[in-house]
Amino acid sequence: QKEVEQDPGPLSVPEGAIVSLNCTYSNSAFQYFMWYRQYSRKGPELLMYTYSSGNKEDGRFTAQVDKSSKYISLFIRDSQPSDSATYLCASTSGANNLFFGTGTRLTVIP
Amino acid sequence: KAGVTQTPRYLIKTRGQQVTLSCSPISGHRSVSWYQQTPGQGLQFLFEYFSETQRNKGNFPGRFSGRQFSNSRSEMNVSTLELGDSALYLCASSTVPGGELFFGEGSRLTVL
Repeated sequence: QKEVEQDPGPLSVPEGAIVSLNCTYSNSAFQYFMWYRQYSRKGPELLMYTYSSGNKEDGRFTAQVDKSSKYISLFIRDSQPSDSATYLCASTSGANNLFFGTGTRLTVIP
Repeated sequence: KAGVTQTPRYLIKTRGQQVTLSCSPISGHRSVSWYQQTPGQGLQFLFEYFSETQRNKGNFPGRFSGRQFSNSRSEMNVSTLELGDSALYLCASSTVPGGELFFGEGSRLTVL
């Protein structure tokens, strides 16, 4: 079993839709949770970063962590075609070795 | 400010050969991590270097090795290549271990 499991997608939504991306993790020691966005032929870039449980909002993006159920979510409001990318969740206990999900490819259709 | 630079961007090797990939971190970043990305497994941690010392190593065979130089540049080497080593190899740098990772665009290795 992978340390971090992610809904594989792909996901295709119309412009303006609310997108929900989800992951689960198995290691109770994980304290840091990230979402990365990866455009085609590019490296991942950090989108959101959360410590422990709770919500974090940044513009149209909201990251949610529920440590009791080991569930990680990313919500994108008013999705735009420029949001089309692969989204990767990642977790770590604090060391620099992140454990990544396999990624969900999102396409936002104009 | 220049980002993380990885060379070469694309390369093709045959089974049994070896390969060396290079990574130049962002100026001022002293920590370098390497990840392997494949469609089936996603990103998997290979190793992390800080101040020329390997601090952490992932669950990969000994054929995978790396090093870091005094200027923080890093190289990774894969010996006796196997078909399953075909992947995108990503380097990431941070100011210190545990800091925000900034990824390069990767080196795409194809093993025939």
